Amino acid sequence: NAGVMQNPRHLVRRRGQEARLRCSPMKGHSHVYWYRQLPEEGLKFMVYLQKENIIDESGMPKERFSAEFPKEGPSILRIQQVVRGDSAAYFCASSPGPSGYNEQFFGPGTRLTVL
Amino acid sequence: QQQVKQSPQSLIVQKGGIPIINCAYENTAFDYFPWYQQFPGKGPALLIAIRPDVSEKKEGRFTISFNKSAKQFSLHIMDSQPGDSATYFCAASMWIGNQFYFGTGTSLTVIP
Repeated sequence: NAGVMQNPRHLVRRRGQEARLRCSPMKGHSHVYWYRQLPEEGLKFMVYLQKENIIDESGMPKERFSAEFPKEGPSILRIQQVVRGDSAAYFCASSPGPSGYNEQFFGPGTRLTVL
Repeated sequence: QQQVKQSPQSLIVQKGGIPIINCAYENTAFDYFPWYQQFPGKGPALLIAIRPDVSEKKEGRFTISFNKSAKQFSLHIMDSQPGDSATYFCAASMWIGNQFYFGTGTSLTVIP
């Protein structure tokens, strides 16, 4: 049973370009979470999605960031017009259910570098 | 505003020592407290978790101590090994919520 898959593992963008980060949850998991990790800091929650629905986006910046989890295919975190401050590791996690007691399984992350 | 405060930021122990990492929280609605282990270049992986109805949980060499009245919990690693060298994150979540609030992490180095 494959774990959470994220791609690309490393992404380099120039300021003003768009970044698309993909996350395929574990088989049977329909709940996806995105976190951002800045150097020397912990993980900060960004958004929680179920299939075709955004449940909680309270951690998402109001501009330039969006996320989706379509009925078919991976979850996508999209960052438009990237700036240097967007450079970070972005982790996706999935869980089998919505309860806060469910373990969240993390992917290996996408390391975004903005030049 | 950091919902979960973690200390120390870094820790160095000799092999066989017992590193202790501490976390504190304010929100009494938190009722699930996991610890995650992260190796360089990897995603965090669940190590052990506790709910506030118990004061201690042990799994192998890892033990969580929980003090509900003080709103603190800690991770103890018995007989630490060089392979335990990693960054450890505590976290907290609520039954009705789904996001995890993470501490800022502790970088542990176990010297052979």
